[in-house]
Amino acid sequence: QQQVKQSPQSLIVQKGGISIINCAYENTAFDYFPWYQQFPGKGPALLIAIRPDVSEKKEGRFTISFNKSAKQFSLHIMDSQPGDSATYFCAASRQASGTYKYIFGTGTRLKVLA
Amino acid sequence: DAGVTQSPTHLIKTRGQQVTLRCSPKSGHDTVSWYQQALGQGPQFIFQYYEEEERQRGNFPDRFSGHQFPNYSSELNVNALLLGDSALYLCASTLRGGYTFGSGTRLTVV
Repeated sequence: QQQVKQSPQSLIVQKGGISIINCAYENTAFDYFPWYQQFPGKGPALLIAIRPDVSEKKEGRFTISFNKSAKQFSLHIMDSQPGDSATYFCAASRQASGTYKYIFGTGTRLKVLA
Repeated sequence: DAGVTQSPTHLIKTRGQQVTLRCSPKSGHDTVSWYQQALGQGPQFIFQYYEEEERQRGNFPDRFSGHQFPNYSSELNVNALLLGDSALYLCASTLRGGYTFGSGTRLTVV
C-alpha cells in the first residue's frame, strides 16, 4: 500500500513533442503528489505538485493530471526540449498527518532528441 | 539564499567503518529528512527530524542514526558499513510544504 508505481522506465521524445509519465498509488490517505526532476550528480528539484482536490495543475510547460478515482496521476511536458533530458520522479505523501515522508516512484529517464 | 547544503560531496569508506554525513537546511526550514538513493532507483526515506527529535523512520536498520541540532542542521551516522550502503544520500528540508533537496553525498563502500 505504500508503493508508488511509475512508468515508463525510460522515454525518448523528439524536440517539440509531448512527454507523458504516469504514476499510480494505492494508499488513499496520500494527499500531496509532487514531481521532481533530477540531473546526474544533483539532488531532485521540485517541478510541480498537486493535491487531490484538483484534477489538473499547469505551470508553464508542465502539467499534472490527477485522477482520484483511478488513483493515478501523470506529468505532461509540452514542447519538450533537450534541456528537459533528466530523470523524473513522482512521489506521494500524507501531509495531513503532520509528517512529510515521501514515497518515490522508481523514476523515468527522459531523453529529448534535438 | 542558500538552499540545502550537504557535506562532504563524495566519500569512500571501507566495509565495517563508520561515517557521518552533514546537512544544513534551507534558511527558514525546520524539518530535515534523509533519503538513500541507490543507483538507478528512487530515493528511499530513512528518517525525519523536527525539533531535534526523530519524528518518523523508514525501513532502515539501527545502524542508521541521526541528530538534529538547535540551528536545525542535521547529521546522518551509519555504523558498520556494508557494501550495500553505497548510495547517494540526500538531505531534504521543509517548512510544512514541499521538500528542497541538497545535491547529496555520494558514499562508496569498498
